[in-house]
Amino acid sequence: EVQLVESGGDLVKPGGSLRLSCAASGFTFSDYTMNWVRQAPGKGLEWVSSISSSSSYIYYADSMRGRLTISRDNAKNSLYLQMNSLTAEDTAVYYCARAPRLLSPKPDAFDIWGQGTLVTVSS
Amino acid sequence: DIQMTQSPSSLSASVGDRVTITCRASQSISSYLNWYQQQPGKAPKLLIYSASSLQSGVPSRFSGSGSGTDFTLTISSLQPEDFATYYCQQSYSTPFTFGPGTKVAIK
Repeated sequence: EVQLVESGGDLVKPGGSLRLSCAASGFTFSDYTMNWVRQAPGKGLEWVSSISSSSSYIYYADSMRGRLTISRDNAKNSLYLQMNSLTAEDTAVYYCARAPRLLSPKPDAFDIWGQGTLVTVSS
Repeated sequence: DIQMTQSPSSLSASVGDRVTITCRASQSISSYLNWYQQQPGKAPKLLIYSASSLQSGVPSRFSGSGSGTDFTLTISSLQPEDFATYYCQQSYSTPFTFGPGTKVAIK
């Protein structure tokens, strides 16, 4: 079964840091561009970051640029998101999602999603 | 950045109704447009990619059309499991923006 499972969400104080992880299974992880999408409580979807299959292409949303590092470990079938200098506006469910086109430098769509992990930034 | 708008923001419909949701991009995005369905408390689900291609496993009552700046998602006969929020998303250029969503509720 194709599956993505996020972890690492937590309650963190403003200014703090957090590292999210996404474990992939059921497909050849190293062939796909992977992505993070977030959703603030009661709000819409917001694309956060993408990383191509070999990590050659990396993209960040302007709202979080400079505070984020996306990375992947193809040997461990895992995707990561390091988030720094967190603010209350970063409170959201963070989803890991796969882009379906093989070996594409950028995501064409998001076809497989994890269940999400909740990040709460509050003092 | 490319801005995505959707109309209506919400609608009420009955089972069996034909429903159309519109998405507009602030500049031409060719056919780089996707549609997602999100049920409350669940992850989004890809319905349509490249404006008009039906994702595998998605019922044929869903269809998409359009190119350039104007796109539509049509549900030909609304079913009980279709009551959800629908989002469009452009994959033409970064940031890969989503529309604000259209909530489809039961009349």
